[in-house]
Amino acid sequence: SAVISQKPSRDICQRGTSLTIQCQVDSQVTMMFWYRQQPGQSLTLIATANQGSEATYESGFVIDKFPISRPNLTFSTLTVSNMSPEDSSIYLCSAIPVVGDTQYFGPGTRLTVL
Amino acid sequence: EDQVTQSPEALRLQEGESSSLNCSYTVSGLRGLFWYRQDPGKGPEFLFTLYSAGEEKEKERLKATLTKKESFLHITAPKPEDSATYLCAVQAASSASKIIFGSGTRLSIRP
Repeated sequence: SAVISQKPSRDICQRGTSLTIQCQVDSQVTMMFWYRQQPGQSLTLIATANQGSEATYESGFVIDKFPISRPNLTFSTLTVSNMSPEDSSIYLCSAIPVVGDTQYFGPGTRLTVL
Repeated sequence: EDQVTQSPEALRLQEGESSSLNCSYTVSGLRGLFWYRQDPGKGPEFLFTLYSAGEEKEKERLKATLTKKESFLHITAPKPEDSATYLCAVQAASSASKIIFGSGTRLSIRP
């Protein structure tokens, strides 16, 4: 398994600003992902964080709005840029350990944009 | 298009009243089906992975089963602490580890 931590756990931000969310895994993993979960909804994949190269974004998500970094095997960041109230959501990091196919999730970051 | 549908959307049970949650899926070659539990304000907690039709996994009061078209999460004699949203997700053989989530079933157990 993998234990995943995220910082911050929650934040309240002003419209037009940016927030960077950090994700740290306690062991080496192969894949890391970022999801968004809007209130009362299921999880939507934003992008796959690739180590040492540009992230792979899903349809409807773009790098300028959600830049992602993954400098090593256990750490990734997601930035939510030029925020609007529609970006209010829970952002979740997940990872797949070196052995197995199961994705494990962090506790999430609850973002509110005023 | 790969798709996951969960039913019911919400389920309220009395403590001790057993039931089942359904996850129907359409995928181009199933690599794995996953069940997660999510408590309010928290990230999904992994429960089970199922890989092939006929497979079953158990953990305490929960048992997950898999056919070629759907999976069931059976809850036997549930307790109030089993109240949560249960999420089903599938991974296609060609998906490069991406998984698709269903919309979840909100389970509430009354004492």
